[in-house]
Amino acid sequence: QAQLVESGGGVVQPGKSLRLSCAASGFTFSRFGMHWVRQAPGKGLEWVANIWYDGSNKYYADSFKGRITVSRDNSKNTLFLQMNSLRAEDTAVYFCAREGTDTDDAFDIWGQGTLVTVAS
Amino acid sequence: DIQLTQSPSFLSASVGDRVMITCRASQGISSDLAWYQQKPGKAPKLLIYAASTLQSGVSSRFSGRGSGTEFTLTISGLQPEDFATYYCQQLNTYLWTFGQGTKVEIK
Repeated sequence: QAQLVESGGGVVQPGKSLRLSCAASGFTFSRFGMHWVRQAPGKGLEWVANIWYDGSNKYYADSFKGRITVSRDNSKNTLFLQMNSLRAEDTAVYFCAREGTDTDDAFDIWGQGTLVTVAS
Repeated sequence: DIQLTQSPSFLSASVGDRVMITCRASQGISSDLAWYQQKPGKAPKLLIYAASTLQSGVSSRFSGRGSGTEFTLTISGLQPEDFATYYCQQLNTYLWTFGQGTKVEIK
Protein backbone atom coordinates (compact mmCIF):
# COMPACT_ATOMS: atom_id res chain seq x y z
CA GLN A 1 0.00 0.00 0.00
CA ALA A 2 1.36 3.39 -0.98
CA GLN A 3 2.87 5.31 1.91
CA LEU A 4 4.87 8.46 2.53
CA VAL A 5 6.79 9.10 5.74
CA GLU A 6 8.36 12.49 6.48
CA SER A 7 11.28 13.06 8.81
CA GLY A 8 13.80 15.73 9.68
CA GLY A 9 11.61 18.21 11.49
CA GLY A 10 12.48 19.73 14.83
CA VAL A 11 13.37 22.95 16.58
CA VAL A 12 15.79 25.19 14.71
CA GLN A 13 17.06 28.71 15.37
CA PRO A 14 16.16 31.59 13.06
CA GLY A 15 18.58 31.90 10.17
CA LYS A 16 19.59 28.25 10.29
CA SER A 17 18.97 25.49 7.77
CA LEU A 18 17.07 22.23 7.84
CA ARG A 19 16.59 19.35 5.43
CA LEU A 20 13.38 17.38 5.41
CA SER A 21 13.04 13.90 3.94
CA CYS A 22 10.06 11.96 2.67
CA ALA A 23 10.44 8.20 2.26
CA ALA A 24 8.11 6.54 -0.21
CA SER A 25 7.03 2.92 -0.26
CA GLY A 26 4.39 0.72 -1.84
CA PHE A 27 4.54 2.34 -5.27
CA THR A 28 7.02 3.11 -8.05
CA PHE A 29 8.32 6.41 -6.73
CA SER A 30 10.18 7.31 -9.92
CA ARG A 31 6.94 7.52 -11.89
CA PHE A 32 5.29 10.23 -9.83
CA GLY A 33 5.62 13.96 -9.43
CA MET A 34 5.91 14.99 -5.79
CA HIS A 35 5.02 18.04 -3.73
CA TRP A 36 5.65 19.68 -0.39
CA VAL A 37 2.75 21.41 1.36
CA ARG A 38 2.92 23.13 4.71
CA GLN A 39 0.43 24.16 7.38
CA ALA A 40 1.24 26.74 10.04
CA PRO A 41 -0.38 26.16 13.45
CA GLY A 42 -4.12 26.79 13.21
CA LYS A 43 -3.84 27.89 9.57
CA GLY A 44 -4.70 26.51 6.15
CA LEU A 45 -2.72 24.53 3.63
CA GLU A 46 0.04 26.27 1.67
CA TRP A 47 1.68 24.69 -1.36
CA VAL A 48 5.48 24.91 -1.15
CA ALA A 49 7.24 23.08 -3.98
CA ASN A 50 6.94 20.53 -6.76
CA ILE A 51 9.42 18.26 -8.49
CA TRP A 52 8.72 16.23 -11.59
CA TYR A 53 8.96 12.44 -11.57
CA ASP A 54 12.48 12.51 -13.01
CA GLY A 55 13.67 15.66 -11.25
CA SER A 56 13.89 17.55 -14.53
CA ASN A 57 11.63 20.40 -13.47
CA LYS A 58 11.01 22.10 -10.15
CA TYR A 59 8.53 24.76 -9.11
CA TYR A 60 8.36 26.84 -5.97
CA ALA A 61 5.82 29.09 -4.33
CA ASP A 62 6.87 32.73 -4.73
CA SER A 63 7.11 33.29 -0.99
CA PHE A 64 9.92 30.72 -0.70
CA LYS A 65 11.98 31.35 -3.80
CA GLY A 66 15.66 31.49 -3.12
CA ARG A 67 15.39 29.89 0.32
CA ILE A 68 14.31 26.37 -0.50
CA THR A 69 15.38 23.58 -2.83
CA VAL A 70 13.41 20.46 -3.62
CA SER A 71 15.22 17.34 -4.80
CA ARG A 72 14.74 13.61 -5.02
CA ASP A 73 16.74 10.40 -5.11
CA ASN A 74 14.76 7.89 -7.12
CA SER A 75 17.26 5.15 -6.34
CA LYS A 76 16.37 5.56 -2.66
CA ASN A 77 12.68 6.42 -3.10
CA THR A 78 13.17 9.63 -1.18
CA LEU A 79 12.10 13.24 -1.59
CA PHE A 80 13.91 16.13 0.08
CA LEU A 81 13.28 19.74 0.99
CA GLN A 82 16.29 21.88 1.87
CA MET A 83 15.25 25.02 3.75
CA ASN A 84 17.69 27.85 4.41
CA SER A 85 17.53 31.15 6.29
CA LEU A 86 14.60 29.91 8.32
CA ARG A 87 12.23 32.43 9.88
CA ALA A 88 9.71 32.20 12.69
CA GLU A 89 6.92 32.26 10.10
CA ASP A 90 8.27 29.02 8.60
CA THR A 91 7.04 27.21 11.70
CA ALA A 92 4.60 24.64 10.37
CA VAL A 93 3.84 21.00 9.74
CA TYR A 94 5.39 20.04 6.41
CA PHE A 95 3.64 17.37 4.38
CA CYS A 96 4.91 15.56 1.31
CA ALA A 97 2.29 14.48 -1.19
CA ARG A 98 2.12 12.41 -4.36
CA GLU A 99 0.68 13.84 -7.54
CA GLY A 100 -1.68 11.14 -8.73
CA THR A 101 -1.60 9.87 -12.29
CA ASP A 102 -5.21 8.68 -12.14
CA THR A 103 -6.52 11.72 -10.30
CA ASP A 104 -5.95 14.48 -12.84
CA ASP A 105 -2.77 15.39 -10.91
CA ALA A 106 -4.58 15.88 -7.61
CA PHE A 107 -2.59 14.86 -4.54
CA ASP A 108 -3.75 11.34 -3.76
CA ILE A 109 -1.25 10.17 -1.14
CA TRP A 110 0.00 12.29 1.78
CA GLY A 111 2.48 11.71 4.54
CA GLN A 112 1.63 12.32 8.18
CA GLY A 113 3.70 15.48 8.27
CA THR A 114 6.78 16.61 10.18
CA LEU A 115 6.75 19.64 12.48
CA VAL A 116 9.32 22.38 11.99
CA THR A 117 9.58 24.95 14.77
CA VAL A 118 11.75 28.00 14.21
CA ALA A 119 12.55 29.61 17.51
CA SER A 120 15.52 30.90 19.45
CA ASP B 1 -1.05 33.56 -9.14
CA ILE B 2 -4.56 32.15 -9.13
CA GLN B 3 -6.40 32.89 -5.91
CA LEU B 4 -9.13 30.64 -4.54
CA THR B 5 -11.79 32.00 -2.20
CA GLN B 6 -13.97 29.59 -0.27
CA SER B 7 -17.28 30.46 1.31
CA PRO B 8 -18.33 30.20 3.97
CA SER B 9 -15.19 29.98 6.10
CA PHE B 10 -17.18 28.40 8.90
CA LEU B 11 -20.34 26.35 8.77
CA SER B 12 -22.41 24.96 11.61
CA ALA B 13 -24.68 22.05 10.68
CA SER B 14 -26.49 19.06 12.09
CA VAL B 15 -26.20 15.36 11.30
CA GLY B 16 -28.33 14.64 8.27
CA ASP B 17 -28.10 18.15 6.83
CA ARG B 18 -27.16 18.90 3.26
CA VAL B 19 -24.31 21.40 3.10
CA MET B 20 -22.65 23.20 0.24
CA ILE B 21 -19.26 24.89 0.09
CA THR B 22 -18.31 27.26 -2.72
CA CYS B 23 -14.86 27.86 -4.16
CA ARG B 24 -14.28 30.77 -6.54
CA ALA B 25 -11.14 31.15 -8.64
CA SER B 26 -9.66 34.52 -9.56
CA GLN B 27 -9.42 33.36 -13.17
CA GLY B 28 -10.73 30.47 -15.20
CA ILE B 29 -9.24 27.09 -14.37
CA SER B 30 -11.40 24.83 -16.53
CA SER B 31 -12.17 21.77 -14.35
CA ASP B 32 -8.73 21.64 -12.74
CA LEU B 33 -9.99 21.64 -9.17
CA ALA B 34 -9.75 19.19 -6.29
CA TRP B 35 -11.38 19.01 -2.87
CA TYR B 36 -9.75 17.68 0.30
CA GLN B 37 -10.98 16.88 3.78
CA GLN B 38 -8.73 17.38 6.78
CA LYS B 39 -9.35 16.35 10.36
CA PRO B 40 -7.36 17.78 13.29
CA GLY B 41 -3.84 16.41 13.48
CA LYS B 42 -4.22 14.45 10.27
CA ALA B 43 -3.09 14.80 6.68
CA PRO B 44 -5.57 16.01 4.07
CA LYS B 45 -7.55 13.36 2.23
CA LEU B 46 -8.47 13.66 -1.44
CA LEU B 47 -12.24 13.63 -1.96
CA ILE B 48 -12.85 14.89 -5.48
CA TYR B 49 -10.69 15.69 -8.48
CA ALA B 50 -11.36 17.17 -11.91
CA ALA B 51 -14.07 19.22 -10.18
CA SER B 52 -16.60 16.40 -10.06
CA THR B 53 -14.93 12.97 -10.03
CA LEU B 54 -15.19 11.10 -6.74
CA GLN B 55 -11.91 9.62 -5.54
CA SER B 56 -11.94 5.86 -5.12
CA GLY B 57 -13.24 4.81 -1.71
CA VAL B 58 -14.87 8.14 -0.91
CA SER B 59 -18.51 8.13 0.14
CA SER B 60 -21.08 9.09 -2.50
CA ARG B 61 -22.43 11.64 0.03
CA PHE B 62 -19.76 13.90 -1.44
CA SER B 63 -20.26 15.50 -4.83
CA GLY B 64 -18.59 18.28 -6.75
CA ARG B 65 -19.70 20.56 -9.55
CA GLY B 66 -18.48 23.51 -11.53
CA SER B 67 -16.00 24.71 -14.11
CA GLY B 68 -14.28 27.93 -15.00
CA THR B 69 -14.30 30.09 -11.90
CA GLU B 70 -17.05 28.72 -9.67
CA PHE B 71 -17.15 25.34 -7.97
CA THR B 72 -19.15 23.66 -5.25
CA LEU B 73 -18.69 20.75 -2.88
CA THR B 74 -21.92 19.28 -1.54
CA ILE B 75 -22.25 16.83 1.34
CA SER B 76 -25.65 15.15 1.29
CA GLY B 77 -26.74 13.76 4.63
CA LEU B 78 -23.95 14.96 6.89
CA GLN B 79 -22.49 12.21 9.08
CA PRO B 80 -20.55 12.59 12.35
CA GLU B 81 -17.30 11.66 10.57
CA ASP B 82 -17.80 14.50 8.06
CA PHE B 83 -17.15 17.23 10.61
CA ALA B 84 -13.79 18.52 9.43
CA THR B 85 -12.16 21.28 7.42
CA TYR B 86 -12.49 21.24 3.64
CA TYR B 87 -10.10 22.78 1.14
CA CYS B 88 -10.31 23.36 -2.58
CA GLN B 89 -7.14 23.34 -4.68
CA GLN B 90 -6.46 24.46 -8.22
CA LEU B 91 -4.25 22.35 -10.47
CA ASN B 92 -4.41 24.54 -13.54
CA THR B 93 -0.98 26.12 -13.29
CA TYR B 94 2.46 25.20 -12.03
CA LEU B 95 1.78 27.31 -8.91
CA TRP B 96 -0.73 25.12 -7.13
CA THR B 97 -2.89 26.98 -4.62
CA PHE B 98 -5.43 26.09 -1.96
CA GLY B 99 -8.49 27.90 -0.75
CA GLN B 100 -8.42 29.17 2.83
CA GLY B 101 -10.59 26.31 4.07
CA THR B 102 -14.12 25.80 5.35
CA LYS B 103 -14.58 24.36 8.81
CA VAL B 104 -17.74 22.30 9.22
CA GLU B 105 -18.77 21.99 12.85
CA ILE B 106 -21.62 20.33 14.70
CA LYS B 107 -24.55 22.60 15.50
